[in-house]
Formats: sequence, C-alpha cells, structure tokens
Amino acid sequence: QQQVKQSPQSLIVQKGGISIINCAYENTAFDYFPWYQQFPGKGPALLIAIRPDVSEKKEGRFTISFNKSAKQFSLHIMDSQPGDSATYFCAASMSGGTSYGKLTFGQGTILTVHP
Amino acid sequence: EAQVTQNPRYLITVTGKKLTVTCSQNMNHEYMSWYRQDPGLGLRQIYYSMNVEVTDKGDVPEGYKVSRKEKRNFPLILESPSPNQTSLYFCASSLVLAGTQYFGPGTRLTVL
Repeated sequence: QQQVKQSPQSLIVQKGGISIINCAYENTAFDYFPWYQQFPGKGPALLIAIRPDVSEKKEGRFTISFNKSAKQFSLHIMDSQPGDSATYFCAASMSGGTSYGKLTFGQGTILTVHP
Repeated sequence: EAQVTQNPRYLITVTGKKLTVTCSQNMNHEYMSWYRQDPGLGLRQIYYSMNVEVTDKGDVPEGYKVSRKEKRNFPLILESPSPNQTSLYFCASSLVLAGTQYFGPGTRLTVL
C-alpha cells in the first residue's frame, strides 16, 4: 500500500522561481523524512532531511516545511536554477516498531527549470 | 572513494533464467537495501538488511531473495525472473537507517 503520497507528478518552473513539492503520509509512527534528488542515469542522492520535532529546516536554497498535525511535509526550492532539473522523491521511515528498517518513498516529481 | 557498486549495470534475460545482481559497499555500513524504480510508482523497497545475517522484507519482496553473509555485500537473487520484474534496480547503504542512504548507479533489468 502507498503510505506516502507525493504531488505534483511533474512541475515546470522558470529560472529564479520557487518550486514546491508536497508529500502526505498516513502512518503517524514515521519519524524521519528525507528528500532525495535524482539526475537522469544516476542513483538518488540525499538532499535534505527533517525529523518531526522541528517545523522547518533550511539548507541553502532548499527548505523542508513540516506540518505534523496535517501529516504533510513539503520541499521548497528557492531561486530555482536549470541545474535543479531532476526527479525529487520524498520518503519516510520510523525508528522503532515492526516496520523499523523500511523506507517508504513517494512516487516522485519531475522538476524542469526553464532558463 | 566511498561508493556503492552494482553489477551488472544492464541485463537482458529470459523468463525463468536465474540471475544475481551484486551489490557491494566500501563504507562499513550496517544497513543495506534493494529498491526497484518504476515510472509513476517511485522507489519501492524490496528487501533490507540491518546487519550481517539479518534481512527483512520490504514492500515488494515477492519473486526476490537476498543474503547478507558479509557486511559489504548484499546480492539480489531472482530465482525465476518474470517480465513484471523488468525494472531499474538500486542498491543502497547507510551507517544507520535514519541516516544518509548512498545509492548505487542502478541496474536496468529486462526480462523477455
């Protein structure tokens, strides 16, 4: 079953604009939420991650916003650049319980940044 | 160089012919995992391993086997491949589960 739902499936943004990708999860036991970036022909690479004890985490132009009550988290890319064009995946895992060790990914968002 | 390697990178095979995709990491990571990537479905976890001799099923384990006899290696075995296992496969490792997962370059498998 799909426990992490990601939207939109694809996103086109102009250079300098803000890219926003959203994810929603069902399992309240999730306590680690990473975002991965994947370029064509490559494996995914960790971009940024957050735990539910904070509502926002920023690293350079990338920000994760986390809403625990709504069970949603989102990735914001400020001042989007053509080099940001890639597929982005959100994910979730839990640090205990019977599903410890499982990492569940969203469906992915293909981001295209036009120059 | 710290890395996760997979072999082969590309494989075309026929239904029912057993195959193994190897995965090796040189970072002394305890956690290793296999994923398959399909359009519109994202990455789905097949199996994972918390340490040597400790493996468990992910979300889509049917038709796959794994073993973890050494810390650095985590091969994926398809005993009787079928066309619905045509996919892009990734191996990943991390020091701990809730940490940076390092992905291999991927293996594109086609089962005819």
